[in-house]
Amino acid sequence: DIQMTQSPSTLSTSVGDRVTITCRASQTISSWLAWYQQKPGKAPKLLISEASTLESGVPSRFSGSGSGTEFTLTINSLQPDDFATYYCQQYYTYSTFGQGTRLEIK
Amino acid sequence: QVQLLQSGAEVKKPGASVKLSCKTSGYTFTKYYMHWLRQAPGQGLEWMAIINPTDGGTAYAQKFQGRVTMTRDTSTGTVYMEVASLRSGDTAMYYCARSAYCSESTCHITAYFFQHWGQGTLVTVSS
Repeated sequence: DIQMTQSPSTLSTSVGDRVTITCRASQTISSWLAWYQQKPGKAPKLLISEASTLESGVPSRFSGSGSGTEFTLTINSLQPDDFATYYCQQYYTYSTFGQGTRLEIK
Repeated sequence: QVQLLQSGAEVKKPGASVKLSCKTSGYTFTKYYMHWLRQAPGQGLEWMAIINPTDGGTAYAQKFQGRVTMTRDTSTGTVYMEVASLRSGDTAMYYCARSAYCSESTCHITAYFFQHWGQGTLVTVSS
């Protein structure tokens, strides 16, 4: 199985900050990576697919980059609605998720 | 608009089975793969199974092979998942999810990310 490792696990941050979350795959996955946002008690929401393709309706302050084994999710000018948990997911071979990164208010 | 409506919460005893449903609407059912995933309390997300709604072909995560069965009913646009031999570790929120559109040549990869999600069904396994 392909293992996905996210860092950090928790990030204390403030409104207006620029945030970067890293996701590393245990083997190359080309660009077959997605990012999701999940709020407490809700289903995840797709933000980005194929490493950098923004889903329709997702604000442009979200962006993704990377290929191979190293990927990043960047949120520019963090908004109050962005405090949530973020997951990366590889779909090169079936599907596995990272353990999540929780954004908390500093 | 795409909607995935899941069945209600379940409480089961260890060793029992549970069958969950997910009724779809707002799109052509046979054009998009469907999945089941789960999330244990306070934990991350875990993919379980996929079904091709056109021919009913399925694939399962190795961890669930032989214990999980995913089916579909094309007349109602509903997918189901049955989990057998439940144990306490199966206590989780279970989600159905729909793939994005994929072409036949790429579906073996691009069917495996999740564009739309159901609201979740909580399954509690307790004696």
